[in-house]
This record gives sequence, structure tokens and C-alpha cells, in this order.
Amino acid sequence: QKEVEQNSGPLSVPEGAIASLNCTYSDRGSQSFFWYRQYSGKSPELIMFIYSNGDKEDGRFTAQLNKASQYVSLLIRDSQPSDSATYLCAVPSGGSYIPTFGRGTSLIVHP
Amino acid sequence: EPEVTQTPSHQVTQMGQEVILRCVPISNHLYFYWYRQILGQKVEFLVSFYNNEISEKSEIFDDQFSVERPDGSNFTLKIRSTKLEDSAMYFCASSTDSNSGNTIYFGEGSWLTVV
Repeated sequence: QKEVEQNSGPLSVPEGAIASLNCTYSDRGSQSFFWYRQYSGKSPELIMFIYSNGDKEDGRFTAQLNKASQYVSLLIRDSQPSDSATYLCAVPSGGSYIPTFGRGTSLIVHP
Repeated sequence: EPEVTQTPSHQVTQMGQEVILRCVPISNHLYFYWYRQILGQKVEFLVSFYNNEISEKSEIFDDQFSVERPDGSNFTLKIRSTKLEDSAMYFCASSTDSNSGNTIYFGEGSWLTVV
């Protein structure tokens, strides 16, 4: 069974703070990991992907992958109210190239 | 920037009717997908399509559903005999390839309401 687990939140952080979003996955063989952002009523928008253990930075976003512990996280530095959205973790697993999505974590950045 | 386009953005249909949702994937992409998201729930995979045939499908994608690429640009999802529980946002998506780094880009979605 392919499982991608996320805390549904909401996670509330003040403007300017670091938001930390976590995701665990069940398939130890998974090789690629994606973070999407979804505003209410809109489609998922790719933020970044990561393949290798460690950190990958892109602007204010940092993805962290730990394959031994089977978790991937997304850090958002200097959070802005416009970052308020649901963040979806997606992981292809079970030998498929099709990503399975987690339920998403709702992030609220308050001024 | 190239994007996946979907029509209609919103459709209301009566239970038992057939619905066709249309999509134009990004032009140089070879893999096409349909996902759905019931209100308040997670994004669920329905089907993937490559080289004019279904490459993978989920248990949700039963005989009620079908997909087609009727010409060189459109990709359609047909839902026969719609049920109330088919009410959801349906997302079309596309990608360039199917390796483990497959990056999928989504359209804006078609919101289907079955009454």
C-alpha cells in the first residue's frame, strides 16, 4: 500500500518566521519527492522536487530528504501571508512513476 | 509559459448523464494524466496515458470512465452515467517523460457538480 502521510494542520506561523512542513512515506524504494502548493479552489503548483539525501534550496524554499527515516520536509523562510496555502507532498512509489499525494498541510501565515 | 488548459471550468450535470472533460496538454509533453479531488480530500490519481493507450490506472478508474486523445492536441475524460459521488474537481496533467524524476504539471481543473 502506497502511503504518503502529512499532518493536516493548520500550521500557523507569524509573518517572517520559518514554516516547517513534514511528510513521511512508506515505500523505501521511492526515488523522487515533490512538493506542490495548492491555493483554495486552485490546482496544485509545483514548488520543487528532490532526489538525493540532504538539502536542496530554491529561493526561500528548502527541501530536506532523509531516505533512511523515510521523510521529506519543506522549509519556507521569511514566510509571507501569500504563502498561506495547502502544501502537498507527492511521492511515486511501488515501482510506478505516478506520484501519490498526501492529504496536504494547511499553512496560515498571519501578519 | 506553456500550460495545461482545461474546459469547461465548471459543469453541472444531472445524475445519470454523460460528461466529457477536455484538456490540452503542454505541447511537447508525451504523458497525460487525470486526477480528481473531492472537496476537502486529497488529490487522487485516476489514469495515465501514453502513446495513445492507457499506461496505468487506479482502482477508481472503472468502466464508468474512459479516456481518449481524439486528435493531436486534445485529451478527454468521459464519465458515463454520472453519480452524485463523482462530484469533484478533475485535474488534467502532463509530463515530458515517465522516469523517476517525472515532473507533472497540472491544469486549472474542471469542477464537476452532479445533482
